[in-house]
Amino acid sequence: DGGITQSPKYLFRKEGQNVTLSCEQNLNHDAMYWYRQDPGQGLRLIYYSQIVNDFQKGDIAEGYSVSREKKESFPLTVTSAQKNPTAFYLCASSFRDRGSQPQHFGDGTRLSIL
Amino acid sequence: QKEVEQNSGPLSVPEGAIASLNCTYSDRGSQSFFWYRQYSGKSPELIMSIYSNGDKEDGRFTAQLNKASQYVSLLIRDSQPSDSATYLCACSRAAGNKLTFGGGTRVLVKP
Repeated sequence: DGGITQSPKYLFRKEGQNVTLSCEQNLNHDAMYWYRQDPGQGLRLIYYSQIVNDFQKGDIAEGYSVSREKKESFPLTVTSAQKNPTAFYLCASSFRDRGSQPQHFGDGTRLSIL
Repeated sequence: QKEVEQNSGPLSVPEGAIASLNCTYSDRGSQSFFWYRQYSGKSPELIMSIYSNGDKEDGRFTAQLNKASQYVSLLIRDSQPSDSATYLCACSRAAGNKLTFGGGTRVLVKP
């Protein structure tokens, strides 16, 4: 059945290491988004992509990178430049041009520093 | 000033009562408004969307929008312990566009 799959569920990063979080959707959604959530906080937008091979920075893009080579996939790399990466990372997707469609979320990835 | 503001709570309501959650937003260009429910440790789940001024009802939930006052609210009738969660308000300027989230209101429904 259709949905948004994020993997892994838990991830640990060592100092100086880059890590990549996976997000795959089979909903035929055009747009995909990455959010970061810190404990007791709302969601903050990291990057978003409206179409393949195009993406825009959100509010907190520093220390992160993304790619959108396929419609179904939008991986997020947390680079060593992100000094405080411990958070809950959420991927979302939505239609782009079919009226006002809301975003739907994957189950998230919890990233911690070793 | 935050773009989307919510009272962080906790909002404590007895079982069977009405929970009333409020959200204000600063961007007058906002067109679409959403309420998400997030259980502890889980991802947000869409429970309501509203695009026009007035009320929209779905089961025990009613969303209310007043664009002139830049205010959106969520009422939960006949509150159940399973409604205990954090409720996130979100706004966007256009379809398929990025959402701006409030910090969420934690709701506790006591049996």
